[in-house]
Amino acid sequence: EDKVVQSPLSLVVHEGDTVTLNCSYEVTNFRSLLWYKQEKKAPTFLFMLTSSGIEKKSGRLSSILDKKELFSILNITATQTGDSAVYLCAVDPLQGAQKLVFGQGTRLTINP
Amino acid sequence: GAGVSQSPSNKVTEKGKDVELRCDPISGHTALYWYRQRLGQGLEFLIYFQGNSAPDKSGLPSDRFSAERTGESVSTLTIQRTQQEDSAVYLCASSPSGFTDTQYFGPGTRLTVL
Repeated sequence: EDKVVQSPLSLVVHEGDTVTLNCSYEVTNFRSLLWYKQEKKAPTFLFMLTSSGIEKKSGRLSSILDKKELFSILNITATQTGDSAVYLCAVDPLQGAQKLVFGQGTRLTINP
Repeated sequence: GAGVSQSPSNKVTEKGKDVELRCDPISGHTALYWYRQRLGQGLEFLIYFQGNSAPDKSGLPSDRFSAERTGESVSTLTIQRTQQEDSAVYLCASSPSGFTDTQYFGPGTRLTVL
């Protein structure tokens, strides 16, 4: 069974800190790994990763994929209170349609 | 432009009643997905529509769940004889053509079954 595991499940830090969120996966086939930010209900897209070792960056957020070790990390530097959200990792297991398999999410809280 | 919209935003129903949840995808998006998110959990895939092809229903948890989509427009997810375990947020997403495209999510419908 395809599985995505995120850690930690919950993280509380102070504004300005740097955080690293982890995502490991076990899938029969792999097409891509995606990161989403979920603040209230609608997840919003952050990154799609398909190749190992190539960092994707957007402002203070960056992510990298290791297809050999089957994991990805999401880094957020100089955190702000607006970064508080649940961060979801999902894998596209290459089953025709993009039927994403999601992890449980990491709830990140940034305190001022 | 308009994003994915869903209605209602919240629905409270009694056990045993039927409910219908609606999703309006982004105009021009041919692929539409339904997911379920239970409290504190990740999203679970339910069903996928691509254009006029037969839907992929492999994620539907039971025969009480069904969904329809007319062409490339609105979709309705129906849950018959609701049970308390159906309580969750139901999220809809659309993408331009499925497969490798980014999915854009709606705000979801929070369903509470009493």
